[in-house]
Amino acid sequence: GAVVSQHPSWVICKSGTSVKIECRSLDFQATTMFWYRQFPKQSLMLMATSNEGSKATYEQGVEKDKFLINHASLTLSTLTVTSAHPEDSSFYICSAPDRSSYGYTFGSGTRLTVV
Amino acid sequence: QKEVEQDPGPLSVPEGAIVSLNCTYSNSAFQYFMWYRQYSRKGPELLMYTYSSGNKEDGRFTAQVDKSSKYISLFIRDSQPSDSATYLCAFLDTGRRALTFGSGTRLQVQP
Repeated sequence: GAVVSQHPSWVICKSGTSVKIECRSLDFQATTMFWYRQFPKQSLMLMATSNEGSKATYEQGVEKDKFLINHASLTLSTLTVTSAHPEDSSFYICSAPDRSSYGYTFGSGTRLTVV
Repeated sequence: QKEVEQDPGPLSVPEGAIVSLNCTYSNSAFQYFMWYRQYSRKGPELLMYTYSSGNKEDGRFTAQVDKSSKYISLFIRDSQPSDSATYLCAFLDTGRRALTFGSGTRLQVQP
């Protein structure tokens, strides 16, 4: 089945630094990638939708200058958390529509801890 | 009113029990109904999806949708300790394309 590879699986960074998270579709072309954030014991909240070759669409309340999304190819989408702060510590997950079913394939997630 | 309501649990059952997980929703634009399983610190994996009212069975799992009541359920028969995870209901409004998730129910199956 469709696989989305997400890296890194966890990262610890200092406050004020930037962190890049990558999601690659391994055996299909992901024209669209959804980025979610999940706080402990809470549901996945959609942050933004990226489409290959165009600007990402951000959900209300998500700072586009802080969460930079790039979808330069059909197999790679990246999320960069810029000037990270402790409140950005969360679990970030990407997801792409799986054309083989009505489901969406998720990456394995990245646990970001900002200290 | 929240778009999706899901009891967070935790729900603890003995091995072999039948588990019932439920979600209610308010958005009439939701066309597809899904259940995902998420193990700790992992991405969700799709268990079941359906787009019509009624039941759909896959092995030990049965998904049930009642569009008139805006209520969906997931039943797990003969539950196993390996079923211990968080179960998320998810909904798709085809116009929006992104999934809307419930808050997840944490299930613990005791051996």
